[in-house]
Amino acid sequence: QSVLTQPPSVSAAPGQKITISCSGSSSNIGNNYVSWFHQLPGTAPKLLIYENNKRPSGIPDRFSGSKSGTSATLGITGLQTGDEADYYCGTWDTSVAAWVFGGGTKLTVL
Amino acid sequence: EVQLLESGGDLAQPGGSLRLSCTASGFSFSGYGMSWVRQAPGKGLEWVSGISGSAHSTHYADSVKGRLTISRDNSNNMLYLQLNSLRAEDTAVYYCAKSAGAGNYYYMDVWGKGTTVTVSS
Repeated sequence: QSVLTQPPSVSAAPGQKITISCSGSSSNIGNNYVSWFHQLPGTAPKLLIYENNKRPSGIPDRFSGSKSGTSATLGITGLQTGDEADYYCGTWDTSVAAWVFGGGTKLTVL
Repeated sequence: EVQLLESGGDLAQPGGSLRLSCTASGFSFSGYGMSWVRQAPGKGLEWVSGISGSAHSTHYADSVKGRLTISRDNSNNMLYLQLNSLRAEDTAVYYCAKSAGAGNYYYMDVWGKGTTVTVSS
């Protein structure tokens, strides 16, 4: 059981847009920055969004992040087949002094 | 270019020990916190331990406290994870990840390719 809650899967057609939710509590999302990572099949995770809504260099602006209270959301527009991956939210949890992740969301681009 | 290369993963017996290593390059190693994150087969990411850039501060997930020990050698740009009293549930790919700041509570901005630990008799 993950500390952060994500939907197990989401799917949409190429060109469409999707959102992935990440729900936590005041000890994690509520008082700390949220990051998002994506993991293509058979590869290591890679940073996608940091500090709630910032993109590392090289990440296109099709990817966006937001946070409100104890929840965060990842948005992807103009879906491409290459976006098929597992997406994880993560943040520091102050009450347990540990990083916590969501269970992951598998994105399928139909 | 920032690079992290894990090694040391192997097949180990239940109750045995392993030491994982992560060789860092391309950045000022002592200035950044580091973490180990594992992924069991077919499962999600699980953070297991982190250490500050100075090594003065370490943190562990409750699931591994007392059995895993994180350490670093800033002179040689190396991160380590000592795994003791291995259990079947420790079977996973172990990733080394760099924090964006001196503490390991910062976001993880660079990840290695991982090393595989299999615990089985």
